[in-house]
Amino acid sequence: QVTLKESGPVLVKPTETLTLTCTVSGFSLSNAKMGVTWIRQSPGKALEWLAHIFSLDEKVYSTSLKSRLTISKDTSKSQVFLTMTNMDPVDTATYYCARISPEIVVVEAFDFWGPGTMVTVSS
Amino acid sequence: DVQMTQSPSSLSASVGDRVTITCRASQIINTDLNWYQHKPGKAPKLLIYAASTLQTGVPSRFRGSGSGTDFTLTISSLQPEDFATYSCQQSYTTPYTFGQGTKLEIK
Repeated sequence: QVTLKESGPVLVKPTETLTLTCTVSGFSLSNAKMGVTWIRQSPGKALEWLAHIFSLDEKVYSTSLKSRLTISKDTSKSQVFLTMTNMDPVDTATYYCARISPEIVVVEAFDFWGPGTMVTVSS
Repeated sequence: DVQMTQSPSSLSASVGDRVTITCRASQIINTDLNWYQHKPGKAPKLLIYAASTLQTGVPSRFRGSGSGTDFTLTISSLQPEDFATYSCQQSYTTPYTFGQGTKLEIK
């Protein structure tokens, strides 16, 4: 059974660095074509794609947030991490991780998601 | 970035109704379009990928169509569990982008 679960701080202060962890089960991050993505949704806003990482360590970032984001993984622990620097109140959002389906080859689609973790940025 | 415009932003309907949600891309994205359903506090769910292919386990009352820039999601006979928010997402090019969502509410 494929599951993903996000974890991290509920509250961060402006200018601090946020680190989120996505712990996966039911699949291996080292499997061919396996990828995990991070997506967020601020209150009342659309979902926003942030970054993804694949099994061979290929990383792609949102162009608007690239300077602030770092995605990485620890395959042995089945975890994917997202670091976002210089947090601002506008970064208040629910952050999701999702699996990029290894079975769907015609497009990149996110077939399993975590329930999300709400992060508030406030002093 | 490819802008995805969904309409309507909200929709009231009754059980048994047929509803259609549209999604328009700001440039041609072929059929690189996915639809998701999400409910508060729950993990979003992939419904349709590549514009028209039903994800495994998704009921056949969901149908996706379109190509190029214009896409639709149709639910043929609404069930109580279908009241949720629906979002389209293009995977033609990074940064991947989503529509603003359509909230489907019970009338």
